[in-house]
Amino acid sequence: AQSVAQPEDQVNVAEGNPLTVKCTYSVSGNPYLFWYVQYPNRGLQFLLKYITGDNLVKGSYGFEAEFNKSQTSFHLKKPSALVSDSALYFCAVRDMRNSNYQLIWGAGTKLIIKP
Amino acid sequence: NAGVTQTPKFRVLKTGQSMTLLCAQDMNHEYMYWYRQDPGMGLRLIHYSVGEGTTAKGEVPDGYNVSRLKKQNFLLGLESAAPSQTSVYFCASRSGLADLYEQYFGPGTRLTVT
Repeated sequence: AQSVAQPEDQVNVAEGNPLTVKCTYSVSGNPYLFWYVQYPNRGLQFLLKYITGDNLVKGSYGFEAEFNKSQTSFHLKKPSALVSDSALYFCAVRDMRNSNYQLIWGAGTKLIIKP
Repeated sequence: NAGVTQTPKFRVLKTGQSMTLLCAQDMNHEYMYWYRQDPGMGLRLIHYSVGEGTTAKGEVPDGYNVSRLKKQNFLLGLESAAPSQTSVYFCASRSGLADLYEQYFGPGTRLTVT
């Protein structure tokens, strides 16, 4: 079965420290992977994607993600966290069972950056 | 360029009442989606559309209907609201061009059914 897992409901990081939000996936074929961020009472915003090419993908707001095919992971990272990074983060993967590029979503990880 | 807009932002319904949520996008996107977001469950796809005049069922379509009469608009209807439909509803759209798979989201509609 195709799925996306975000194993941590919440991640706490001190401001200025590096952060990692984890995502693992299970799909057939080559995955298309995405990260989105949701600030309180807002819609989701696209951060970055991996389709093909370099395993390290850079996105908005200084975030990056590393695709690891052998570990079926796509972890979101940032070298130095800001308080304003506090939000809900979603990982998603393309549903390979259809041709309409629907996404399968993780349950989300709440990131809290403490001053 | 407003992106994706949704109306209304909030609504309270009584069980059995009906309502329509409106989604509009000004990016000339082919694909449009309706999701619901519930705590701890991520996003679940209700219905989607691959173009004007077309609709299809997603993961949780029961109790909802949709229409896409114009390319820029995607309507979500609840014919007889139930408390289980209390949720936050998000509309999203994306381009039909190759390699542009990311979806753009509206601000959401918070619906409470009592």
